[in-house]
Amino acid sequence: QVQLQQWGAGLLKPSETLSLTCAVDGGSFSGYYWSWIRQPPGKGLEWIGEINHSGSTYYNPSLKSRVTISSDTSKNQFSLKLTSVTAADTAVFYCARTFLYFGIPDAFDIWGQGTLVTVSS
Amino acid sequence: QSALTQPRSVSGSPGQSVTISCTGTSSDVGGYNYVSWYQQHPGKAPKLMIYDVSKRPSGVPDRFSGSKSGKTASLTISGLQAEDEADYFCCSYAGTYSLVFGGGTKLTVL
Repeated sequence: QVQLQQWGAGLLKPSETLSLTCAVDGGSFSGYYWSWIRQPPGKGLEWIGEINHSGSTYYNPSLKSRVTISSDTSKNQFSLKLTSVTAADTAVFYCARTFLYFGIPDAFDIWGQGTLVTVSS
Repeated sequence: QSALTQPRSVSGSPGQSVTISCTGTSSDVGGYNYVSWYQQHPGKAPKLMIYDVSKRPSGVPDRFSGSKSGKTASLTISGLQAEDEADYFCCSYAGTYSLVFGGGTKLTVL
């Protein structure tokens, strides 16, 4: 049974860099994309971006200038960095497995537990 | 890449059916059959309920069904149960390996 375990700092000051990591337990890293998704308190979900086992990355255009997703395949982990955070970045951040249909990212079938990141001075 | 449009809330009584709509554009919902639906209970991570417009993952009750017409996808829940009360989000492939979510719909079981 594949599980995703995520961790990272939960309280940041404006202008700092958000850093989260997600570990893939019990399954293969290849054959899937691995995504980050966020949810501001009381609001909807927003896709941040994804990485595949080869290290290719794809980002939401609205966040692309501030986001980096990377992976360490030797550890079956992938990470998110979001620079220059503001209060508007306060959200629960989720990592998720993205399964593919003929190479196209299709849906998110396994989710991490979520990490609340609060940006406050 | 704009969020897909969902009604803010829907409601129904136990045993009834409800349908939640998800409207996009020809660049997302209307252009691909990669629409998925997620159920989220308070304080929990979302759960995949429907993918590829109408397919159900193993373990999802057949009370949940999906469809699509043009730029609008729909999730129908039949035989409503109390535990179906949750937020529901649609999601669509939007080209160039990107995905976009809807704003979410709160389902209340009366």
